[in-house]
Amino acid sequence: DVKVTQSSRYLVKRTGEKVFLECVQDMDHENMFWYRQDPGLGLRLIYFSYDVKMKEKGDIPEGYSVSREKKERFSLILESASTNQTSMYLCASSSGGTGFENIQYFGAGTRLSVL
Amino acid sequence: SQQGEEDPQALSIQEGENATMNCSYKTSINNLQWYRQNSGRGLVHLILIRSNEREKHSGRLRVTLDTSKKSSSLLITASRAADTASYFCATNTGGFKTIFGAGTRLFVKA
Repeated sequence: DVKVTQSSRYLVKRTGEKVFLECVQDMDHENMFWYRQDPGLGLRLIYFSYDVKMKEKGDIPEGYSVSREKKERFSLILESASTNQTSMYLCASSSGGTGFENIQYFGAGTRLSVL
Repeated sequence: SQQGEEDPQALSIQEGENATMNCSYKTSINNLQWYRQNSGRGLVHLILIRSNEREKHSGRLRVTLDTSKKSSSLLITASRAADTASYFCATNTGGFKTIFGAGTRLFVKA
């Protein structure tokens, strides 16, 4: 079974803090994704990576950065947390390149509150 | 703008009844997928239907795809209380990105 593990289920941070959200997958997947999920808006893609050290902006990258130094690990960084970044963050991974089915496997999510 | 939009936003049924959720999308797709999310958890992939397929079954799930209408439906037969969750359609246009809709919240009353 594919396992995608997010380091924290719940996180409370203060405005202006630098926040790291970690995600690890154990299936040797090439692709990894970070989404945020807000009520009524569904999942919105923040960043994705299709290879080590490669990253692409998603639909809402502002205020975020990512790091992928190893194939199994994809980190989301909030450089200076703000209250509008309070949300559920979901990490996912998938195998294959473009043209593949891109079935995504998700972690359990990190609920981040910025006070 | 969202590629996939589910309808209805919320659905409440009795155990044993069938549940039907619909999804509409805007552009040509490679495949359409349905995912399930239990409250406060990550999404779990349920079923994938390719653009050249019209219907697909998996256990109590039946998915249809009408590419001329750019729409899909998910039918869950003989619903159980454990089916209570949010259901999302997701479209893949051939690149790395999969675009998710806002979801349908299903509540199955025991």
